[in-house]
Amino acid sequence: KAGVTQTPRYLIKTRGQQVTLSCSPISGHRSVSWYQQTPGQGLQFLFEYFSETQRNKGNFPGRFSGRQFSNSRSEMNVSTLELGDSALYLCASSLEPSVYNEQFFGPGTRLTVL
Amino acid sequence: AQSVAQPEDQVNVAEGNPLTVKCTYSVSGNPYLFWYVQYPNRGLQFLLKYITGDNLVKGSYGFEAEFNKSQTSFHLKKPSALVSDSALYFCAVRGTGANNLFFGTGTRLTVIP
Repeated sequence: KAGVTQTPRYLIKTRGQQVTLSCSPISGHRSVSWYQQTPGQGLQFLFEYFSETQRNKGNFPGRFSGRQFSNSRSEMNVSTLELGDSALYLCASSLEPSVYNEQFFGPGTRLTVL
Repeated sequence: AQSVAQPEDQVNVAEGNPLTVKCTYSVSGNPYLFWYVQYPNRGLQFLLKYITGDNLVKGSYGFEAEFNKSQTSFHLKKPSALVSDSALYFCAVRGTGANNLFFGTGTRLTVIP
């Protein structure tokens, strides 16, 4: 069974631009979560989607948004990029939102904002 | 509120020796705890989890973790370290009433040949 896939793997953008990252969960997984990883802040939760609905959101500004499609694939968008948005963005999937289900992570998208 | 703490940024151990990576947690309800490992330029790989039941949890690649409620700890262990175990290890706790994970700051494990 294929793992979580994320595209693109690397992105370079300039301040003020916007970016869209894509995530395809493991087949059969319907819950998708997004995390930001930076050297300074570590791993921080962005948001979680299940059945095309945002269930939970972390403490990030409104420039960060996401959505989930009917096939469980998810996208996240960052508008008006800032230098501090440079990070590894990780997508994770699980069967469904349950305390019993572990999350499986993709390889991440490394975003560099210049 | 929930959080985890990994008190050691770096752990060095000789190959073949036992290893321990420490984690303590703080939760308002039942603790749901996880360990993940991250290799360079890779995402996080799931190692093991504690949801309920036995305090000793066995996971992937020979790793195990001991849940200690009185000490609010969930230390990761392995009886005999391999050079290939060198990586960044994260402890995480599930949010109360939510599915998202709160991660520790990570511990870099270096196994010395």
